[in-house]
Amino acid sequence: ETGVTQTPRHLVMGMTNKKSLKCEQHLGHNAMYWYKQSAKKPLELMFVYNFKEQTENNSVPSRFSPECPNSSHLFLHLHTLQPEDSALYLCASSQDRGPRDEQYFGPGTRLTVT
Amino acid sequence: AQKVTQAQTEISVVEKEDVTLDCVYETRDTTYYLFWYKQPPSGELVFLIRRNSFDEQNEISGRYSWNFQKSTSSFNFTITASQVVDSAVYFCALSESKSPNAGGTSYGKLTFGQGTILTVHP
Repeated sequence: ETGVTQTPRHLVMGMTNKKSLKCEQHLGHNAMYWYKQSAKKPLELMFVYNFKEQTENNSVPSRFSPECPNSSHLFLHLHTLQPEDSALYLCASSQDRGPRDEQYFGPGTRLTVT
Repeated sequence: AQKVTQAQTEISVVEKEDVTLDCVYETRDTTYYLFWYKQPPSGELVFLIRRNSFDEQNEISGRYSWNFQKSTSSFNFTITASQVVDSAVYFCALSESKSPNAGGTSYGKLTFGQGTILTVHP
């Protein structure tokens, strides 16, 4: 496989469930990102990891918990979510964390919280 | 703070028409980067181009061209002879390069515009 992959592609969960989103990049990049894309809103950066270390948390509620075991894998653990958390969650990676590094995105996980 | 505005929410054209997507940005940095991404129905954002603030040359890649004008803080994207496969959401984005040590608060962060939905009809 090449590029950035995400699983699952679609997820429906109740507010009391616990689930995890998985992202894997096959590009040899050092930085990985989670974004949230809601209807009629710009993409919102949630978390940034660089060389497995979290370098950015954009005031994300604690019901979202990221994990980066290595530079190729990124997880987003979800628990006790709210209906307003329904959105497309996009993972991205870039060679490094610099301003000129273009980011490569996965296809996203469409999350619906019921 | 940095900001990107894509005033056109939706554009609808007929195949073979030319279409221009507007992007206006705000930044206090003197060095920054501008990007365009395409998001087809499949969901993933596809990187199209990066331009740095010191390079105002227009760029052409096939049917795509980009017009960067620092004087008006704009980075517009034109598709010539549009095709149905061009139908997607297009995002303009800005990345500042002022490091945190120099007081930068947005180093390496991509700030996206709201996106423009382009529909090309056969």
